[in-house]
Amino acid sequence: GIQVEQSPPDLILQEGANSTLRCNFSDSVNNLQWFHQNPWGQLINLFYIPSGTKQNGRLSATTVATERYSLLYISSSQTTDSGVYFCAVRMDSSYKLIFGSGTRLLVRP
Amino acid sequence: DSGVTQTPKHLITATGQRVTLRCSPRSGDLSVYWYQQSLDQGLQFLIQYYNGEERAKGNILERFSAQQFPDLHSELNLSSLELGDSALYFCASSVAGGATGELFFGEGSRLTVL
Repeated sequence: GIQVEQSPPDLILQEGANSTLRCNFSDSVNNLQWFHQNPWGQLINLFYIPSGTKQNGRLSATTVATERYSLLYISSSQTTDSGVYFCAVRMDSSYKLIFGSGTRLLVRP
Repeated sequence: DSGVTQTPKHLITATGQRVTLRCSPRSGDLSVYWYQQSLDQGLQFLIQYYNGEERAKGNILERFSAQQFPDLHSELNLSSLELGDSALYFCASSVAGGATGELFFGEGSRLTVL
């Protein structure tokens, strides 16, 4: 099946710093989503981005489907950005959303 | 608030017992998905229903079953519970049943089996 790899696995930032999270996938996809799981366990939708670039405040994401990767940018990080960031993909032949193992982010004040 | 409602939020039970988790999808969404998140397995797809019919099946144990009712809410039944079933169970919904479209997740039901 399709493999979804996220890097780095762990990231510690000082408040105000910028970061880039990466998601590589092993096959063509027609659905890619980024989620933030906060310390309370909630999965929050960040982006639905099968291709192209989107921005939402301090966050932006880019998916290059032909090269099978997606990037999530976090600028001017805040302590509330802490948690785990998941990339998840779906192939055309499958209904299930497959999750990567996540990037655990800790933003220190 | 994603619009997906899950109950109960927390559940503590004993081995061998049976529990039912409930999910109400977003208004207008026809597909419901169940996921299990445990510490060692990450987020694993269990099963999907579309408009009352089973659409896709993942690594769901035989002790687990699910259904989607005519009002589109769904229930996940877990029986003969084992310690290893302790996990966060998520429900998600989407408008369509195909391979495109955005999924929205509920806040999860945290199950602890003692």
